[in-house]
Amino acid sequence: GAVVSQHPSRVICKSGTSVKIECRSLDFQATTMFWYRQFPKQSLMLMATSNEGSKATYEQGVEKDKFLINHASLTLSTLTVTSAHPEDSSFYICSALSRANIQYFGAGTRLSVL
Amino acid sequence: GESVGLHLPTLSVQEGDNSIINCAYSNSASDYFIWYKQESGKGPQFIIDIRSNMDKRQGQRVTVLLNKTVKHLSLQIAATQPGDSAVYFCAENMVPAGGTSYGKLTFGQGTILTVHP
Repeated sequence: GAVVSQHPSRVICKSGTSVKIECRSLDFQATTMFWYRQFPKQSLMLMATSNEGSKATYEQGVEKDKFLINHASLTLSTLTVTSAHPEDSSFYICSALSRANIQYFGAGTRLSVL
Repeated sequence: GESVGLHLPTLSVQEGDNSIINCAYSNSASDYFIWYKQESGKGPQFIIDIRSNMDKRQGQRVTVLLNKTVKHLSLQIAATQPGDSAVYFCAENMVPAGGTSYGKLTFGQGTILTVHP
């Protein structure tokens, strides 16, 4: 099956710093990737749709200046949490859309902001 | 707004039994549905999908049933094993009229499946 790699798996940072999370599709090209946020014992909440070569589309209520998304190639999308604060602590998950329109997910990144 | 929801938040079964996880959806325009399995601390893993022109699809030990009349989706797991313990999410995709699906999914709340040896 399709493999999506997400890095890092866990990051701890100080309040006010920025954190970059990478999402790579390893064996297929993905013009579209998605970024989700998940709180404990809750479902996945879509944050934004990342489109290769164009601006990301953000869901209502998601601050685009805080969650910067870059999709510079067909296999890589990055999410940068800028000026992170403790309330940004969460589990962030990316997915890549295959040609068959199936989303394959990365393993997630646990962000803890101190 | 439209949403996908699950009837049961938790399900406990004995090893070897069959499991049935249910999902109700409200968007009649949805044409594609997927079941994902998520283990603790990991990303969702694709299990099986079904399009709206089908009412049943089988995989290895799993079967998905779609009832469009009552907007109901179910995942059946045969001979459930301890390794099947996880959270299961249904997700739906809606194709805009006359348009192309861009793959955006709406996820249900999830069902926690616990398999006892």
